[in-house]
Order: sequence, then C-alpha cells, then structure tokens
Amino acid sequence: EAGVAQSPRYKIIEKRQSVAFWCNPISGHATLYWYQQILGQGPKLLIQFQNNGVVDDSQLPKDRFSAERLKGVDSTLKIQPAKLEDSAVYLCASSLGQGRYEKLFFGSGTQLSVL
Amino acid sequence: DAKTTQPPSMDCAEGRAANLPCNHSTISGNEYVYWYRQIHSQGPQYIIHGLKNNETNEMASLIITEDRKSSTLILPHATLRDTAVYYCIVRDPPSNFGNEKLTFGTGTRLTIIP
Repeated sequence: EAGVAQSPRYKIIEKRQSVAFWCNPISGHATLYWYQQILGQGPKLLIQFQNNGVVDDSQLPKDRFSAERLKGVDSTLKIQPAKLEDSAVYLCASSLGQGRYEKLFFGSGTQLSVL
Repeated sequence: DAKTTQPPSMDCAEGRAANLPCNHSTISGNEYVYWYRQIHSQGPQYIIHGLKNNETNEMASLIITEDRKSSTLILPHATLRDTAVYYCIVRDPPSNFGNEKLTFGTGTRLTIIP
C-alpha cells in the first residue's frame, strides 16, 4: 500500500517569511499527526486530527503555526512568520483511528531551514 | 515528558545480536511499551510493542521484565541497515477515541559495525 506522502522534501526560507507543508495520509486512516523534529531530538507532537477535527494542539505555537485538514483527508501545516528556531524536520503520520494502541505510519518529512 | 531512559548510543558488530535496553520504572499497569526506529532521513518506523509478555515478530523480539520496569529490544542478527535511532516509548492509554499519540524521547543511536 502507498505510504504517507509529504511535500516538499526540502524548503529553505528567510526568517519572517511564510511556508506551508502538505501531507496525504494512508488511505482510510482517520487520525493524522504533525510532529516537529529538531536536530538531535526526538519528534515532538504539534497537532493531532481525528478526521477533520482537532484532538490535541496543546503544543502548537498558535501565534505562528496553523494546520487544517479539510474533508478529513490531506492536511497542510503553515508557519507565518517563520523564526530561526523553526528550522527542523516536519513529520506527518497517520493511523487508522479505530481503536487503542494502533501503529503510527510516518512520512519521510519536510526539512525546513530558516536563514 | 518521556517516561523512559535509554543509553544515548551503542555499537554492535554486524551479524551479532543487538540488545537495546530501556528503563521505564514508573510504568503503570495498563501502559504498553512500544519501540520505533528512525533511519537517517526517514520518518520513524514501528518495530514492536508489548504489555507484559515477551513478543516476537519478523523484525525483533521484545523482552519485558516481570516487574515491567525495564525491557530489552533484541535484533537477532544485526545488519548494516539496522543502523538507526531506536526509541522506546511508554504509551499513554488513550483517553479519547482515536487519541493515539506517541511521546518520543531522544532514543539510542545504534551503529552496526562491519
């Protein structure tokens, strides 16, 4: 089966610019996650969707980050304006969302460099 | 915060068994232990999970101590492709339907030596 698709693979921007990342989860997966991974650290959850509703966005910096999942399928994560400390890999993951202790499937991520 | 403690790095000779330890002394009775790994430039990949019994699949074996305060992931015959960061995660019990988030620590960087 096709995996989690993310684009772009790499993005370089200057601080104060805006940027958007796209994610297409595995077909039929109801739950979608965005994680941020700073170099040398484990991934940190930014936001979690169940279908098109937000389940958890407690660690999303809402003054500059936004995310949406229209129609409960693909999703976009936006940063506006970007700061130097936003340089990281942004990972999208999905799971079936039908029960407990399911596996998460991750995409390869978008590597963002803010100059 | 992550509920596990792992060594930051380990080496293993190619073809030998790689044993990766994890301490989770505050684990509660209904929390599972999960292992994921992350190969360079890729997203994390699920390996295995367990509650109290030892588990084995095509990728690895998971040994959980009787008191459940620690576990060991075993890769029986390590290859160069097993070089990765390995994350041991204690899974929060879902409080809501579909709430399946993972909280990652910094993991163990395993290097397989030719």
